Amino acid sequence: QVLLVESGGGVVQPGGSLRLSCAASGFNFRRTNMHWVRQAPGKGLEWVAFTRAIGGERSYVDSAKGRFTISRDNSHNTVLLQMDSLTIEDTAVYYCVQDGGNHQFESWGQGTLVTVSS
Amino acid sequence: QSALTQPASVSGSPGQSITISCTGSNSDVGTYNLVSWYQHHPDKAPKVIIYEVTKRPSGVSSRFSGSKSGNTASLTISGLQADDEAHYYCCSYVGPTAWVFGGGTKLTVL
Repeated sequence: QVLLVESGGGVVQPGGSLRLSCAASGFNFRRTNMHWVRQAPGKGLEWVAFTRAIGGERSYVDSAKGRFTISRDNSHNTVLLQMDSLTIEDTAVYYCVQDGGNHQFESWGQGTLVTVSS
Repeated sequence: QSALTQPASVSGSPGQSITISCTGSNSDVGTYNLVSWYQHHPDKAPKVIIYEVTKRPSGVSSRFSGSKSGNTASLTISGLQADDEAHYYCCSYVGPTAWVFGGGTKLTVL
């Protein structure tokens, strides 16, 4: 079955950087588009970033543009999220999500908590 | 990329039906038939229950149904059960390769 395991979360100071990793298994990763979605404490879900399986296309929510970089390593079935210039507003649980191919977020990891605090 | 508008909370008794609305604009819900709905229990991963406005993934109960009229999508849950108590989120494709969620609705089963 599909398994998505996030890692890399933790506490970081404002202005700092963090790199999240997601190990994927149980499906054809190299042919699957992937996302990162986050949930700030007490808030709703927010789509953050997208990487297309083929072609290298990437996209971001406006608040992440210029600060976050999504990438993928198809040889290791891994998707990464490099987060720079972090602010308190980036504090959230970050989920790695498999795209179902019909603009649905089909399978989710358990999430990794990022806390930006001084 | 403004969040879609959902009621903060809805409630219903076991066996009843409830409907959660999700209001967007001509740039998202009104243009694309690509609205999905997610059920999120505390401390669990969100689960897709509706995609492409009306379609149910395999294994999702037929008690869950979706619809759309103009800029508003709706999720209806019939025959409410205690386990339906959760947060529900709508999401719409807003193109190109961007998506926006609603603010979420907490469903309480009385």
